[in-house]
Amino acid sequence: DTGVSQNPRHKITKRGQNVTFRCDPISEHNRLYWYRQTLGQGPEFLTYFQNEAQLEKSRLLSDRFSAERPKGSFSTLEIQRTEQGDSAMYLCASRVPGELFFGEGSRLTVL
Amino acid sequence: GENVEQHPSTLSVQEGDSAVIKCTYSDSASNYFPWYKQELGKRPQLIIDIRSNVGEKKDQRIAVTLNKTAKHFSLHITETQPEDSAVYFCAASRDNQGGKLIFGQGTELSVKP
Repeated sequence: DTGVSQNPRHKITKRGQNVTFRCDPISEHNRLYWYRQTLGQGPEFLTYFQNEAQLEKSRLLSDRFSAERPKGSFSTLEIQRTEQGDSAMYLCASRVPGELFFGEGSRLTVL
Repeated sequence: GENVEQHPSTLSVQEGDSAVIKCTYSDSASNYFPWYKQELGKRPQLIIDIRSNVGEKKDQRIAVTLNKTAKHFSLHITETQPEDSAVYFCAASRDNQGGKLIFGQGTELSVKP
C-alpha cells in the first residue's frame, strides 16, 4: 500500500493515560500534517512538518500534545494525561505541491 | 483568525438534480481552495481544487467557482447520482505548495433515487 498509513486505527484508553499515534506518509512527500476531526465537523488543523522541522502548531494544541518527525519520514503524535474531550479521529496527511492525501485516521476514545 | 464557513450543513436532492454548496473564507491571502469528499468511515479525498488565478474550473459533473472579491467559492454538482451521497468539505490555504488547509464544517449531501 503506497498511501498514508496510520496506527493504531482504534485506541480506547482511560482518562489520565498517555497515548501515541504513528503516521507513515507517502514516501516522497516532505510535508506531513496532523488534523483532528470530531463527529459532524471538518478536520481541524493541529500541526505540520516539512521534513523533520515542525513549521506550525495550532493554538488549539495544548501542552499535553506533542508531535515529532525525527528523521523526516514517519511522525508520532503523543497525547499526555488524556481527557474525555480528546476523544476524536486523529488524521494524518501528507503532501507535495497540490493534493493533501489523508490516512484512514486513528480513532481515540477516552473513557 | 483564519476561518472558513460552509453552508448548508445538510442538503437533500433528487437523483438527477443539481447540488450547490457554498463557502466563505476570512483570510484574504488565501489562494488555494480544494474540495474534499468523505464517505462514512473513510478518509477525505480530493475531488476538485481551484487556485486564485482562475474564476471557474470544471471536471465532468463537478465545477467550482471562486469570487476573490467577495471571498467566497462554491461547489456545483450536476446530474447527481446516489453515489454522490457523502459529506463534502471546502478548504482554504494561503499556499498551494504546502501550507495548512483550513476546512469548513462540512455539508452532508443526500441524493435520493
